[in-house]
Parts: sequence; structure tokens; C-alpha cells
Amino acid sequence: DGGITQSPKYLFRKEGQNVTLSCEQNLNHDAMYWYRQDPGQGLRLIYYSQIVNDFQKGDIAEGYSVSREKKESFPLTVTSAQKNPTAFYLCASSYRAGEQYFGPGTRLTVT
Amino acid sequence: AQSVSQHNHHVILSEAASLELGCNYSYGGTVNLFWYVQYPGQHLQLLLKYFSGDPLVKGIKGFEAEFIKSKFSFNLRKPSVQWSDTAEYFCAVKNQYNTDKLIFGTGTRLQVFP
Repeated sequence: DGGITQSPKYLFRKEGQNVTLSCEQNLNHDAMYWYRQDPGQGLRLIYYSQIVNDFQKGDIAEGYSVSREKKESFPLTVTSAQKNPTAFYLCASSYRAGEQYFGPGTRLTVT
Repeated sequence: AQSVSQHNHHVILSEAASLELGCNYSYGGTVNLFWYVQYPGQHLQLLLKYFSGDPLVKGIKGFEAEFIKSKFSFNLRKPSVQWSDTAEYFCAVKNQYNTDKLIFGTGTRLQVFP
């Protein structure tokens, strides 16, 4: 069964802690993406990766980091430097220049 | 910078009413256009897309969209909505020079009442 999995669905952290969100895909897509969704702001691109071992900053990369060591995996770390980390985080993947497919999301709450 | 505008933030309709959601983008070159839908508690999923050819695009669940290049628009339409169409709808654009970067609008929340 092909698709994109994100875990966990809900995540709670204390302020000042780094947290890593998981994203795995078995669609054999080359490109993977991380978005942040906030009410009334749509989806904003954090980071994206077109091939393994390479990634680019999106529009709101500050306070986030990523790695792409395997084609199937693109974890996102929300660092303590991110000023407003509470949000809904969506991972997506695509073939190069194709439409993006989205995972179910992780809702992160930092208190 | 490239941007996407969705002017309708919240739309409330009765079942069987017609729907049109506006989407305008700011980019003068070749674009690919998308409408995504997010049903309550579900994944964001693709409704329809335009890459080239016929500017009237048909998608899933009876939705369609028309690309009007002169107006930089890609409005979403459905002749008769159902309660199950209650969802958030996002327009998205990518340009010919950066085909991996998708720019999203802020979304339109549609509520359909029986």
C-alpha cells in the first residue's frame, strides 16, 4: 500500500527542546517537502529536497533543520530557535515536476 | 515574489447551491495550477490540476476549474454542492523555472448545510 506516513500524529514538547518529526514515503518519489500550516495562512514551505543528500530552504526555514540520507525519508527537526513552533506540519513528496502527494500531518504543540 | 490569492476566506452554502471559489496568481510566465482539498481529519488531496492544453479542467467529485491566462485566474467551480463538500480548499501554483516549488494560497473554508 503506497503512501506517505508521518509520525506521530500529535506531539507535545516543552519550550527549549528540539523535536524531530518523521516522514517516510514508499512511492519512489525523488522530491520531498515540509510545509507548515497555520490557520488563515495556508501552507508555507519550510524545506524541500529534490535528491538524496541535497535540500534547499523554503520560505520559512529559520529554526528548522532537515536531512535526506535516504530517498524514502525526510525528517524535520524543529529546534529551540523556532519562535512559534506550535503548528500543523505536513510532509509531501512528488516525482520531479509532478504533483505533490501529502501525508496525514503531525500536530506539534510546544508549551 | 510569486503569490497566490484566494479572496474568499469562508464560504457558507446550502446543499444544491452552485460554488465558485476564486484563485488569482502573480506570475507572468508559464505556470502549473492545482486545487487541493482538505476534508475534516483527512489528508490534503489533489482535486484537479492544469499543466497545458484545454483550459477547462475536470477533477474528482464533479469539480472543475478554468484557467484564464489573461486574468491570471484559476477559479474552482461545482454546479451543485453537497454536505460532503464541506472542507478547506487550497489553490496552488508553480512556475516553469522552479517546478519543484509549489506556492499555496491561504485557503477557503467551505461549509455546506443540508
